[in-house]
Amino acid sequence: DVKVTQSSRYLVKRTGEKVFLECVQDMDHENMFWYRQDPGLGLRLIYFSYDVKMKEKGDIPEGYSVSREKKERFSLILESASTNQTSMYLCASSLSGVRNSPLHFGNGTRLTVT
Amino acid sequence: SQQGEEDPQALSIQEGENATMNCSYKTSINNLQWYRQNSGRGLVHLILIRSNEREKHSGRLRVTLDTSKKSSSLLITASRAADTASYFCATAPTGGGNKLTFGTGTQLKVEL
Repeated sequence: DVKVTQSSRYLVKRTGEKVFLECVQDMDHENMFWYRQDPGLGLRLIYFSYDVKMKEKGDIPEGYSVSREKKERFSLILESASTNQTSMYLCASSLSGVRNSPLHFGNGTRLTVT
Repeated sequence: SQQGEEDPQALSIQEGENATMNCSYKTSINNLQWYRQNSGRGLVHLILIRSNEREKHSGRLRVTLDTSKKSSSLLITASRAADTASYFCATAPTGGGNKLTFGTGTQLKVEL
């Protein structure tokens, strides 16, 4: 089975801090994704990557950046955390893109910015 | 923007009953996928149905797709308490690159 591991289940940070959310997958998947999930809004795509050092903006990239230096690792960076970034963050990977294969999700990181 | 919208938002049934959830979307799609999320956890993929397919089964799950009405349904037969979860549909739009767009989900509660 594919395993997608997010480094923290819960995280509390202060406004203005730089925050790193880490995600690792063990199945050599090409594609990796970061979503945030908020009540009433469902999941919204922040960024995705289809190869090492490649990235594309999703629907809500403002205030975020990403890094993919190795195939198995995809990091989400909040450059200067704000209270409106308090959310559940979900990382996912897929073998060959959403047209042909499903997403495999990690268990999420619940981030609180105070 | 939300592509898929699930209906109902919440559903409560007794164990052994069938549960039906619906999803409507707005643009043409390459495929539609259903996911389950247990409270506080990540999403788990259930079924992927392509735009040229009309029905798909997996165990107690049955998914239908009507591209003319831009809608899909997920039927869970003989539900169990362990089926209690949120269910999301997600669409891969035609020409939408690598973006999978999720709806807001249906919260299913199966009571003993």
